[in-house]
Amino acid sequence: GQNIDQPTEMTATEGAIVQINCTYQTSGFNGLFWYQQHAGEAPTFLSYNVLDGLEEKGRFSSFLSRSKGYSYLLLKELQMKDSASYLCAVRGNYGGATNKLIFGTGTLLAVQP
Amino acid sequence: DGGITQSPKYLFRKEGQNVTLSCEQNLNHDAMYWYRQDPGQGLRLIYYSQIVNDFQKGDIAEGYSVSREKKESFPLTVTSAQKNPTAFYLCASSRKTGTGELFFGEGSRLTVL
Repeated sequence: GQNIDQPTEMTATEGAIVQINCTYQTSGFNGLFWYQQHAGEAPTFLSYNVLDGLEEKGRFSSFLSRSKGYSYLLLKELQMKDSASYLCAVRGNYGGATNKLIFGTGTLLAVQP
Repeated sequence: DGGITQSPKYLFRKEGQNVTLSCEQNLNHDAMYWYRQDPGQGLRLIYYSQIVNDFQKGDIAEGYSVSREKKESFPLTVTSAQKNPTAFYLCASSRKTGTGELFFGEGSRLTVL
């Protein structure tokens, strides 16, 4: 079956670094996405990993290990506006369906002063 | 500016009534999707469409219907057969090429009274 696990909530301090983990078990693997979602708003795309290793994009980095079924999102120099839910999503091989993603439940990050 | 427009943003419905949520995109994307988001749960796929005049059921299609008569439009009807329709509904689209990340609309919050 398909399963994606993330911590439900995390708290961090402004200016610090936080790592949000995601583990997955899916039918095949064809890419992992991280999205940011502020309360009541649409998710916005943050990063994409399909090969093992680290992808860096400004203050945000994402890491993937396909053999371990594991990814993390690293947020540096935290700002208050980073308080949001962070969604991990995996694209698998689902009977020829293109771009069908399975989403985790999301990690609600609270950044404190 | 290109994007995805969902309407209405908020909708109230009496039990037993059907309601249609609109989703329009001007990104020239081939694929479109409808997700449902409930508290404490990940986004769940209702229906998706990879090309005009074709669509497939997602993981929770019961009680919903869609059409894809135009590339730009993918309306979702929540029927009276849907037992628990109160939720936040998100429409998304994606390209066939590149990373294939989803672009989301702002969402429609449906409340059944």
